Order: sequence, then C-alpha cells, then structure tokens
Amino acid sequence: GAGVSQSPSNKVTEKGKDVELRCDPISGHTALYWYRQSLGQGLEFLIYFQGNSAPDKSGLPSDRFSAERTGGSVSTLTIQRTQQEDSAVYLCASSSSPGPPPYNEQFFGPGTRLTVL
Amino acid sequence: AQSVTQLGSHVSVSEGALVLLRCNYSSSVPPYLFWYVQYPNQGLQLLLKYTSAATLVKGINGFEAEFKKSETSFHLTKPSAHMSDAAEYFCAVSDNFGNEKLTFGTGTRLTIIP
Repeated sequence: GAGVSQSPSNKVTEKGKDVELRCDPISGHTALYWYRQSLGQGLEFLIYFQGNSAPDKSGLPSDRFSAERTGGSVSTLTIQRTQQEDSAVYLCASSSSPGPPPYNEQFFGPGTRLTVL
Repeated sequence: AQSVTQLGSHVSVSEGALVLLRCNYSSSVPPYLFWYVQYPNQGLQLLLKYTSAATLVKGINGFEAEFKKSETSFHLTKPSAHMSDAAEYFCAVSDNFGNEKLTFGTGTRLTIIP
C-alpha cells in the first residue's frame, strides 16, 4: 500500500506551546520508530514501538517529549512547552518486524519540519 | 555502544567520475550496517545493507559497499557518478539486540559537478 506518511509536513510554533506530530506507518508494520534530524545533533533515535508498547524510549531528550501508539498503527509524538532547541525535522519509520536476521528494512516518512520561534 | 563515523561532510565529484563515501564503524559485536540516501525535502531511502552475508553488497542505483572487518570500514562506491546522485548520504549501524534502532553518522553531502 502507501508508504509512511507524516503530518503536518511543516509546523511553526511559539516557544512554550505544545505540539503534536503524527505518523501513519505502512499497513501491517508492527515496529515504529521516531528519529530527529537537527543541524546540531544530526540524525538521532528517539523512541521505538513494537505494537502499542514502547520498550525503548532511551532517545527521548527530556520529559517534555512523549509518544504513544494506538491500535498498533498511528503514532503521535508530543512535545510540551516547546523550546527553540526542539526545532528539527522529526522522522518516522516503520518496519514489518524487528528481531533476528534477516533484517527488516525501516521505511521512512518524509518528516515533519518543526520550527520553534 | 555502536557508532559510525563518516569522513568528509561534503564530497564533490565530476559527472562520470568514481564516487567514494567513507564510513568506519565501532561495534563490540558483528554489526549490521546500512547506507541511506536523502534527497532534498524527502525522507531516507535505503541504498544497501550488510547483515553478515556477502561482504560486497550491491544496492540500488549502481551503488555498492564492501564490509572490511580488518579496517572496520563500510565505504560506499559507485563507478560513475550521475547528476541524479546529488544528495546526502548517511551510514548507519543497527542495534541487533532486538529492536534494530539505527545509529547514524553525521552524513556526507555529495555534489556532482557537470
């Protein structure tokens, strides 16, 4: 079916506001990942979902960041009280399943560009 | 912890010339290694992957990479550059302990000179 989609494609917000970023993975993909791409930090892992559970949240930079996934499908990344350093492109990826080889390719969405003024 | 280092944040080659993008890895276990390409305003696309089978890996668009354990390298090559190869390229290593999250290098921007 269709690839990974993300919305909005661009988001401009004021410092201190909350934002929600959405990811629609490829249908049937059980694994979902969030990454952040910024000038200062490059591409970095944020959180991993298997189904609706998040066994690895180790990349979330602070407690202002949270994510959930419902119905084993759509995921929302929420950033509370946004700061200027949160400005980045947030990428979502999904794969059919993680685990032993063969490796299952992660398919990336186009990203959401977040600008915090 | 696993990591990758990409040498050269910017590489320029003439159209038709050899493309060589360098990646060195650090891993305490046999790694899974990847090259991704990112075109402007697009997401990442997998070019090729190494998962402990053949050490010479062929990918899409004429790219290939060779895994060299002795050099801890996984350099990306293409014999003849095309204008459409202009993009940013990322080397990545996977956490192969179950969730396969990717750790990326800092990226190399490839410019093709007509």
